[in-house]
Amino acid sequence: GENVEQHPSTLSVQEGDSAVIKCTYSDSASNYFPWYKQELGKRPQLIIDIRSNVGEKKDQRIAVTLNKTAKHFSLHITETQPEDSAVYFCAAGSFRNQFYFGTGTSLTVIP
Amino acid sequence: NAGVTQTPKFRILKIGQSMTLQCTQDMNHNYMYWYRQDPGMGLKLIYYSVGAGITDKGEVPNGYNVSRSTTEDFPLRLELAAPSQTSVYFCASSPLPGQGTYEQYFGPGTRLTVT
Repeated sequence: GENVEQHPSTLSVQEGDSAVIKCTYSDSASNYFPWYKQELGKRPQLIIDIRSNVGEKKDQRIAVTLNKTAKHFSLHITETQPEDSAVYFCAAGSFRNQFYFGTGTSLTVIP
Repeated sequence: NAGVTQTPKFRILKIGQSMTLQCTQDMNHNYMYWYRQDPGMGLKLIYYSVGAGITDKGEVPNGYNVSRSTTEDFPLRLELAAPSQTSVYFCASSPLPGQGTYEQYFGPGTRLTVT
């Protein structure tokens, strides 16, 4: 099956700086790569996703890039704010199959 | 729309007991999923369903069973609970691919402790 690795496991940045979280996947059949934000005690919520036919996608301060050849994708958060502090999960899979999640990155934005 | 609802919110089980975690969605989504999330870890797929009457195993199905008799409901059954099943359980649903989004909508979770 798919194997998703996520790095780093913890990340601290100063408010206003950028944060980058990276994931790699193993199954070349995966074609959908979502990113979820989970606040303490809450449910995961989708913040951005990308499909395999797209190399980059942006939504305001959040962007995701995908390199299919290298099988890695990254989340970029610019101008970080304290409310960005949470655990972020990447996932990989296809809609005919299963989704596999990374182990999460705990992001702390220091005011 | 209530979205995805789960009951109960919390439950403590003794080893060997059984229980059913309930999940209901009111968005007419075809796809439904059950995940478990252990402390400090990502989500692992237990079972999923692509429509009423169709279910399939995920990454960690042992010790669980599911059924999908309606589009709305996707209960998860734990038989002979074990301490290793202590976790937070999330149900999720998503529309058919091609309906504009692949997003999975998660329920609020059920925190289960087996002692």
